[in-house]
Amino acid sequence: GENVEQHPSTLSVQEGDSAVIKCTYSDSASNYFPWYKQELGKRPQLIIDIRSNVGEKKDQRIAVTLNKTAKHFSLHITETQPEDSAVYFCAASIAGRGSTLGRLYFGRGTQLTVWP
Amino acid sequence: EAGVAQSPRYKIIEKRQSVAFWCNPISGHATLYWYQQILGQGPKLLIQFQNNGVVDDSQLPKDRFSAERLKGVDSTLKIQPAKLEDSAVYLCASSLGAHEQYFGPGTRLTVT
Repeated sequence: GENVEQHPSTLSVQEGDSAVIKCTYSDSASNYFPWYKQELGKRPQLIIDIRSNVGEKKDQRIAVTLNKTAKHFSLHITETQPEDSAVYFCAASIAGRGSTLGRLYFGRGTQLTVWP
Repeated sequence: EAGVAQSPRYKIIEKRQSVAFWCNPISGHATLYWYQQILGQGPKLLIQFQNNGVVDDSQLPKDRFSAERLKGVDSTLKIQPAKLEDSAVYLCASSLGAHEQYFGPGTRLTVT
């Protein structure tokens, strides 16, 4: 099955700086890559996603890039704010392959701390 | 739009006891997922339903875990008997299409 690796496991930045989280995946058939934000004790919430036919996607301060050849994708947060502090998970899906339609494989998460 | 509902939110049981979790997906969402999230890790899929049929249960420990989705709406996940290593948050998610998944608040299970 798919294997998703995520780095770093912890990331501390000063308010206003940028943060970058990187993930790699193993199955070249993966075609959907969402990013989830999970605050302590709360549910994971989708913040941005990208599909394999797109190389980059941006939503205000958040952007995701995808390199299919290298099988890696990254989350970029600019002008970080203390409320960005949370655990961020990347995931990959090999949707469309029979019984695995829609299944998400998650990375281990990155604890982002933004210091005021 | 109401989100995914789960109950209970917290449960503490002793090992070898049984426990059941309930999930109500977003209205109209045909696909329902149960994930297990162990502290410090990402969620791991246990079982996936499409309407009331099982699509993927390859990672479900079938000797102790069972799940059902009657009438293609609500779902229950049961553990019998529970082990210490089952302590985790059990997340239910639903989706309308093949991709975007919306998660419920989870049930935090502690097995002592």
